[in-house]
Amino acid sequence: GAGVSQSPSNKVTEKGKDVELRCDPISGHTALYWYRQSLGQGLEFLIYFQGNSAPDKSGLPSDRFSAERTGGSVSTLTIQRTQQEDSAVYLCASSLVGTQGGQFFGPGTRLTVL
Amino acid sequence: QKEVEQNSGPLSVPEGAIASLNCTYSDRGSQSFFWYRQYSGKSPELIMFIYSNGDKEDGRFTAQLNKASQYVSLLIRDSQPSDSATYLCAVRTLDDMRFGAGTRLTVKP
Repeated sequence: GAGVSQSPSNKVTEKGKDVELRCDPISGHTALYWYRQSLGQGLEFLIYFQGNSAPDKSGLPSDRFSAERTGGSVSTLTIQRTQQEDSAVYLCASSLVGTQGGQFFGPGTRLTVL
Repeated sequence: QKEVEQNSGPLSVPEGAIASLNCTYSDRGSQSFFWYRQYSGKSPELIMFIYSNGDKEDGRFTAQLNKASQYVSLLIRDSQPSDSATYLCAVRTLDDMRFGAGTRLTVKP
């Protein structure tokens, strides 16, 4: 596609439920990033993929959070047993490999945990 | 110590003035530098990048980089109300990319 796409755009769930967020990066971009942004706050780094591997998982806030990427393309971020503090906009970005690649962001998924 | 620091603002300038946004970073191994604009409720949009010391101009935007001082800035000339947004500085090393918390800019008509 022309840009990074994410689905769903909005997700409302009940506390304790599991949710799955999807990111489809720009074709040819091997690097993929997940961020979280709470209202009025900066970007919180969650996880980075290079191809299908995740060399940096340091940002995942707890073991309820996991992510995978298959085929070097689509990635899913899964949050198990959601909590109210998980409510935020989850942003995905992709870039070309290498130090000069700027990241291009998707429109985000707004997650609300009731 | 935060890796990428920005003044959170808000920075307010009158229409037509020059807006100056500043960013400092701690990792001397940083190799490329980016400015993103984020409108309220939207995702960040890449507007400028710079790799070498000096100035880089693109329309009304000028990015300035001083690696010795670990400082990068963004100048917006002839500021317009449509420039009102949060501006995020991002710094890339060999392994990752780190974002500042952003500076909120308001351009008043």
